[in-house]
Amino acid sequence: DVKVTQSSRYLVKRTGEKVFLECVQDMDHENMFWYRQDPGLGLRLIYFSYDVKMKEKGDIPEGYSVSREKKERFSLILESASTNQTSMYLCASSLTGRVRETQYFGPGTRLLVL
Amino acid sequence: KQEVTQIPAALSVPEGENLVLNCSFTDSAIYNLQWFRQDPGKGLTSLLLIQSSQREQTSGRLNASLDKSSGRSTLYIAASQPGDSATYLCAVRSLGGSRLTFGEGTQLTVNP
Repeated sequence: DVKVTQSSRYLVKRTGEKVFLECVQDMDHENMFWYRQDPGLGLRLIYFSYDVKMKEKGDIPEGYSVSREKKERFSLILESASTNQTSMYLCASSLTGRVRETQYFGPGTRLLVL
Repeated sequence: KQEVTQIPAALSVPEGENLVLNCSFTDSAIYNLQWFRQDPGKGLTSLLLIQSSQREQTSGRLNASLDKSSGRSTLYIAASQPGDSATYLCAVRSLGGSRLTFGEGTQLTVNP
Protein backbone atom coordinates (compact mmCIF):
# COMPACT_ATOMS: atom_id res chain seq x y z
CA ASP A 1 0.00 0.00 0.00
CA VAL A 2 1.19 3.47 -0.89
CA LYS A 3 1.70 5.68 2.10
CA VAL A 4 1.97 9.45 1.98
CA THR A 5 2.60 11.08 5.33
CA GLN A 6 2.59 14.71 6.36
CA SER A 7 4.59 15.97 9.31
CA SER A 8 1.74 17.61 11.19
CA ARG A 9 -2.05 17.28 11.21
CA TYR A 10 -2.58 20.68 12.84
CA LEU A 11 -0.28 23.68 13.02
CA VAL A 12 -0.69 27.14 14.54
CA LYS A 13 1.78 29.85 13.52
CA ARG A 14 2.06 33.60 13.84
CA THR A 15 2.15 36.11 11.01
CA GLY A 16 5.67 36.53 9.68
CA GLU A 17 6.95 33.15 10.85
CA LYS A 18 8.73 30.82 8.46
CA VAL A 19 6.75 27.61 8.17
CA PHE A 20 7.87 24.22 6.88
CA LEU A 21 5.38 21.56 5.84
CA GLU A 22 6.92 18.17 5.16
CA CYS A 23 5.62 15.33 3.04
CA VAL A 24 7.12 11.87 2.71
CA GLN A 25 6.11 9.01 0.41
CA ASP A 26 7.40 5.48 0.73
CA MET A 27 6.80 4.09 -2.78
CA ASP A 28 9.63 5.61 -4.81
CA HIS A 29 7.23 7.90 -6.65
CA GLU A 30 8.71 10.39 -9.09
CA ASN A 31 6.00 13.04 -8.94
CA MET A 32 4.97 14.95 -5.83
CA PHE A 33 2.42 17.73 -5.44
CA TRP A 34 1.32 20.35 -2.93
CA TYR A 35 -2.27 21.61 -2.92
CA ARG A 36 -4.26 23.88 -0.68
CA GLN A 37 -7.96 23.38 -0.10
CA ASP A 38 -10.32 26.20 0.82
CA PRO A 39 -14.11 26.31 1.12
CA GLY A 40 -15.66 27.57 -2.08
CA LEU A 41 -12.36 27.33 -3.99
CA GLY A 42 -11.67 23.61 -3.95
CA LEU A 43 -8.18 22.17 -4.32
CA ARG A 44 -5.63 24.37 -6.00
CA LEU A 45 -2.15 23.30 -7.05
CA ILE A 46 0.69 25.28 -5.44
CA TYR A 47 3.80 23.51 -6.73
CA PHE A 48 4.78 20.13 -8.04
CA SER A 49 8.00 18.22 -8.60
CA TYR A 50 8.71 15.52 -11.16
CA ASP A 51 12.19 14.63 -9.96
CA VAL A 52 14.74 15.41 -7.28
CA LYS A 53 15.68 19.09 -7.32
CA MET A 54 13.11 19.73 -10.05
CA LYS A 55 10.05 21.87 -9.40
CA GLU A 56 7.33 23.57 -11.35
CA LYS A 57 4.87 26.28 -10.34
CA GLY A 58 1.24 25.41 -10.05
CA ASP A 59 -1.69 27.79 -10.17
CA ILE A 60 -1.03 29.71 -6.93
CA PRO A 61 2.74 29.69 -6.13
CA GLU A 62 2.91 33.21 -4.72
CA GLY A 63 4.12 33.28 -1.12
CA TYR A 64 5.37 29.67 -1.24
CA SER A 65 8.54 27.84 -2.16
CA VAL A 66 9.39 24.15 -2.24
CA SER A 67 12.35 21.88 -1.77
CA ARG A 68 12.99 18.36 -2.99
CA GLU A 69 16.46 17.22 -2.01
CA LYS A 70 15.52 13.53 -1.78
CA LYS A 71 13.08 11.58 -3.90
CA GLU A 72 10.84 10.60 -1.00
CA ARG A 73 10.51 14.03 0.60
CA PHE A 74 8.84 17.21 -0.68
CA SER A 75 8.75 20.28 1.54
CA LEU A 76 6.49 23.30 1.25
CA ILE A 77 7.89 26.50 2.72
CA LEU A 78 5.99 29.62 3.68
CA GLU A 79 8.75 32.21 3.84
CA SER A 80 6.70 34.70 5.88
CA ALA A 81 3.32 33.31 6.88
CA SER A 82 0.28 35.51 6.41
CA THR A 83 -3.30 35.09 7.60
CA ASN A 84 -4.52 34.42 4.05
CA GLN A 85 -2.38 31.28 4.06
CA THR A 86 -4.62 29.72 6.71
CA SER A 87 -5.83 26.62 4.91
CA MET A 88 -5.79 22.85 4.60
CA TYR A 89 -2.61 21.72 2.83
CA LEU A 90 -2.58 18.40 1.00
CA CYS A 91 0.41 16.57 -0.38
CA ALA A 92 0.13 13.93 -3.11
CA SER A 93 2.43 11.69 -5.09
CA SER A 94 2.26 9.58 -8.25
CA LEU A 95 4.63 7.03 -9.70
CA THR A 96 5.22 8.70 -13.06
CA GLY A 97 3.41 11.06 -15.39
CA ARG A 98 1.85 8.19 -17.31
CA VAL A 99 -1.79 8.51 -18.27
CA ARG A 100 -3.09 5.72 -16.05
CA GLU A 101 -1.37 6.89 -12.90
CA THR A 102 -3.46 8.12 -10.01
CA GLN A 103 -2.30 10.50 -7.32
CA TYR A 104 -2.12 9.28 -3.72
CA PHE A 105 -2.87 11.83 -1.05
CA GLY A 106 -1.62 12.38 2.47
CA PRO A 107 -3.98 13.11 5.40
CA GLY A 108 -3.51 16.87 5.18
CA THR A 109 -2.15 19.60 7.45
CA ARG A 110 -4.58 22.18 8.75
CA LEU A 111 -2.61 25.41 9.18
CA LEU A 112 -3.87 28.38 11.15
CA VAL A 113 -1.91 31.63 10.87
CA LEU A 114 -2.72 34.15 13.59
CA LYS B 1 -7.95 27.10 -18.82
CA GLN B 2 -9.74 23.97 -17.64
CA GLU B 3 -12.65 24.48 -15.24
CA VAL B 4 -14.47 21.73 -13.40
CA THR B 5 -17.93 22.14 -11.89
CA GLN B 6 -19.81 19.75 -9.63
CA ILE B 7 -23.54 19.78 -9.05
CA PRO B 8 -25.10 19.62 -6.53
CA ALA B 9 -22.83 21.12 -3.88
CA ALA B 10 -24.61 19.10 -1.21
CA LEU B 11 -27.00 16.17 -1.21
CA SER B 12 -28.88 14.40 1.57
CA VAL B 13 -30.61 11.08 0.91
CA PRO B 14 -32.15 8.25 2.94
CA GLU B 15 -30.25 4.99 3.22
CA GLY B 16 -30.82 2.58 0.35
CA GLU B 17 -31.44 5.20 -2.30
CA ASN B 18 -29.59 5.17 -5.63
CA LEU B 19 -28.00 8.52 -6.46
CA VAL B 20 -26.09 10.37 -9.14
CA LEU B 21 -23.38 13.00 -8.71
CA ASN B 22 -22.53 15.23 -11.65
CA CYS B 23 -19.28 16.69 -12.92
CA SER B 24 -18.72 18.92 -15.95
CA PHE B 25 -15.51 20.25 -17.47
CA THR B 26 -14.89 22.95 -20.05
CA ASP B 27 -12.02 21.52 -22.13
CA SER B 28 -12.50 18.06 -23.61
CA ALA B 29 -8.77 17.61 -24.32
CA ILE B 30 -8.16 15.33 -21.34
CA TYR B 31 -6.13 12.24 -20.52
CA ASN B 32 -8.50 11.00 -17.86
CA LEU B 33 -11.04 11.87 -15.21
CA GLN B 34 -11.00 10.69 -11.61
CA TRP B 35 -13.47 10.54 -8.80
CA PHE B 36 -12.13 10.90 -5.26
CA ARG B 37 -13.69 10.57 -1.84
CA GLN B 38 -12.74 12.82 1.09
CA ASP B 39 -13.84 12.19 4.65
CA PRO B 40 -14.00 15.20 7.01
CA GLY B 41 -10.54 16.49 7.91
CA LYS B 42 -8.82 13.79 5.87
CA GLY B 43 -6.98 13.41 2.60
CA LEU B 44 -8.42 12.16 -0.68
CA THR B 45 -8.91 8.55 -1.70
CA SER B 46 -9.15 7.63 -5.39
CA LEU B 47 -12.37 5.77 -6.23
CA LEU B 48 -12.40 5.45 -10.01
CA LEU B 49 -10.23 6.59 -12.89
CA ILE B 50 -11.66 6.72 -16.42
CA GLN B 51 -9.33 7.07 -19.39
CA SER B 52 -10.42 9.45 -22.14
CA SER B 53 -11.02 6.50 -24.46
CA GLN B 54 -13.34 4.77 -21.98
CA ARG B 55 -17.04 5.32 -21.39
CA GLU B 56 -17.35 3.96 -17.87
CA GLN B 57 -15.68 2.26 -14.94
CA THR B 58 -17.22 0.22 -12.16
CA SER B 59 -16.10 -0.67 -8.67
CA GLY B 60 -18.57 -2.43 -6.41
CA ARG B 61 -21.60 -0.18 -5.94
CA LEU B 62 -19.94 2.68 -7.80
CA ASN B 63 -20.18 3.36 -11.51
CA ALA B 64 -18.60 6.34 -13.21
CA SER B 65 -19.37 7.37 -16.77
CA LEU B 66 -17.58 9.76 -19.08
CA ASP B 67 -18.89 11.66 -22.10
CA LYS B 68 -15.80 13.50 -23.21
CA SER B 69 -17.37 15.30 -26.14
CA SER B 70 -19.99 16.94 -23.97
CA GLY B 71 -17.62 17.49 -21.05
CA ARG B 72 -19.61 15.49 -18.53
CA SER B 73 -19.14 12.69 -16.05
CA THR B 74 -21.48 11.09 -13.55
CA LEU B 75 -20.83 9.01 -10.45
CA TYR B 76 -23.64 6.59 -9.72
CA ILE B 77 -23.85 5.12 -6.22
CA ALA B 78 -26.21 2.18 -5.82
CA ALA B 79 -28.00 1.29 -2.59
CA SER B 80 -26.39 4.09 -0.60
CA GLN B 81 -25.23 3.47 2.99
CA PRO B 82 -24.44 5.84 5.89
CA GLY B 83 -20.76 4.94 5.40
CA ASP B 84 -20.93 6.57 1.97
CA SER B 85 -21.30 9.96 3.66
CA ALA B 86 -18.34 12.05 2.52
CA THR B 87 -17.37 14.70 0.00
CA TYR B 88 -16.91 13.41 -3.55
CA LEU B 89 -14.52 15.27 -5.82
CA CYS B 90 -14.09 15.04 -9.54
CA ALA B 91 -10.73 15.85 -11.15
CA VAL B 92 -9.55 15.96 -14.75
CA ARG B 93 -6.06 15.59 -16.12
CA SER B 94 -5.69 17.72 -19.22
CA LEU B 95 -3.54 16.76 -22.18
CA GLY B 96 0.08 17.83 -22.01
CA GLY B 97 0.49 17.83 -18.26
CA SER B 98 0.56 15.89 -14.99
CA ARG B 99 -1.58 18.24 -12.99
CA LEU B 100 -5.18 17.65 -12.00
CA THR B 101 -7.95 20.25 -12.01
CA PHE B 102 -10.51 19.64 -9.28
CA GLY B 103 -14.14 20.50 -8.85
CA GLU B 104 -15.32 21.85 -5.51
CA GLY B 105 -16.99 18.60 -4.58
CA THR B 106 -20.41 17.32 -3.62
CA GLN B 107 -20.99 16.78 0.09
CA LEU B 108 -23.11 13.65 0.46
CA THR B 109 -25.03 12.69 3.60
CA VAL B 110 -26.77 9.32 3.75
CA ASN B 111 -29.26 9.19 6.61
CA PRO B 112 -29.97 5.90 8.40
